[in-house]
Amino acid sequence: NAGVTQTPKFQVLKTGQSMTLQCAQDMNHEYMSWYRQDPGMGLRLIHYSVGAGITDQGEVPNGYNVSRSTTEDFPLRLLSAAPSQTSVYFCASSYSPPSGVYNEQFFGPGTRLTVL
Amino acid sequence: EDKVVQSPLSLVVHEGDTVTLNCSYEVTNFRSLLWYKQEKKAPTFLFMLTSSGIEKKSGRLSSILDKKELSSILNITATQTGDSAIYLCAVTTGTASKLTFGTGTRLQVTL
Repeated sequence: NAGVTQTPKFQVLKTGQSMTLQCAQDMNHEYMSWYRQDPGMGLRLIHYSVGAGITDQGEVPNGYNVSRSTTEDFPLRLLSAAPSQTSVYFCASSYSPPSGVYNEQFFGPGTRLTVL
Repeated sequence: EDKVVQSPLSLVVHEGDTVTLNCSYEVTNFRSLLWYKQEKKAPTFLFMLTSSGIEKKSGRLSSILDKKELSSILNITATQTGDSAIYLCAVTTGTASKLTFGTGTRLQVTL
C-alpha cells in the first residue's frame, strides 16, 4: 500500500500559469479532499469529493478546480496562478466522509507551491 | 460558522517534562474530535474522540474529551525531542462533509 501519493513535491510557477497537482490513493477510500496550509492559518479545505463523479467546494475554492473520474485519483487544477496561492497543498482521503464513523483522514506528503 | 481554537500557539519544554495542549470548539452537531501530529511533512493521525470514546491513550500520549466544556486536552508525559512537532486538532460534525482544523500548537522539546 502506497497510501496517499502526491506529485510534484515542489513547484514554482509564474503568475498566470496553470498547473495540475496530482493526488492518488490505493486504499479504496470514497472521501478525498484538498487542503492548503499557510503559516498561522492551519489547514483550510479547498475542495472535497464523497465519491467518483461527485465534488463540492470547501472553505477556499476560488482559483481551483477539481474532478473525480475514478475512486483513486483527485487532481487539483490551478487555473491562473496568483502569488496568494503560494502555499503547501495536502491531499487527504478517508473511508467515509467526516460525518461518518470511519473518518480518520490519511494525508499525502504535500506539494510546496511558490507563485512568483 | 464552526470554530476550533488551540492553545498555546507554541511551547518550549525540556526533555522529560509533561505538557498539556488544549483544543476548544464551537460547532453545530458535534461528531468527533481528532488529534494529529505534524512533523516536517504530512499530518499523522493520533487519536479520535467521540461521545462514546472520550478518553484515549497510547504510550506517553493521552487525550480526553470534555463534552460539557466543549474541549479536549492532549497530554504528553516524559517528553522526548522526537515529540517536537505541530499538534493539530480537528472537529467533525454530523452534517458537514469536512474537518475543521485549529491552527495548531507548535511544541519544541529541548535537551
